[in-house]
Amino acid sequence: AQKVTQAQTEISVVEKEDVTLDCVYETRDTTYYLFWYKQPPSGELVFLIRRNSFDEQNEISGRYSWNFQKSTSSFNFTITASQVVDSAVYFCALSEVEGGTSYDKVIFGPGTSLSVIP
Amino acid sequence: DAGVIQSPRHEVTEMGQEVTLRCKPISGHDYLFWYRQTMMRGLELLIYFNNNVPIDDSGMPEDRFSAKMPNASFSTLKIQPSEPRDSAVYFCASSFPRTRGGNYGYTFGSGTRLTVV
Repeated sequence: AQKVTQAQTEISVVEKEDVTLDCVYETRDTTYYLFWYKQPPSGELVFLIRRNSFDEQNEISGRYSWNFQKSTSSFNFTITASQVVDSAVYFCALSEVEGGTSYDKVIFGPGTSLSVIP
Repeated sequence: DAGVIQSPRHEVTEMGQEVTLRCKPISGHDYLFWYRQTMMRGLELLIYFNNNVPIDDSGMPEDRFSAKMPNASFSTLKIQPSEPRDSAVYFCASSFPRTRGGNYGYTFGSGTRLTVV
């Protein structure tokens, strides 16, 4: 069965520090997708990135970067030079491809609450 | 596009009453999902539809919950009768098929915060 673990429940950093949010996943499939979502205090869920299991290249988007390592089943998220606006709950998620269909069930991890202190 | 639209934003109801949550997905999205978020259980998938057809409702907690999608632009999640333990934030999301290329994920609505007293 698929499973997503985010061991860090809460993290606090001082503004401008770098912070890495860990995500470890379990799946039996060789083809799957990984996601990160952000949930700011206002409550909406915002999509950040999708990565498929065949693409292990690291991704950088501004101050955000993602490190995907199949060998350790991890998909970690780093925020460089954190800002107060980064304060949110961040969810890692996994979607398996079953039977080669476009079945799109996404399972979310428990989330990591990040507080960036001015 | 206005995004995924959910209504109401907040709902307070008494135990035993029927509650109906509504969702309008993004036009052109083939998939629609209903999630529930609580502190104890996090984000749980309740049910999802593909081209208006329910595909997997294994996450629906019990028979008091039902969901419909009568057309491509509207879905409802109904709880009858409601109980205090149903209090949660209910999210609707829509998406293209995962096999479609590009860097995309679900688009979530703003959620409905349900309180059953």
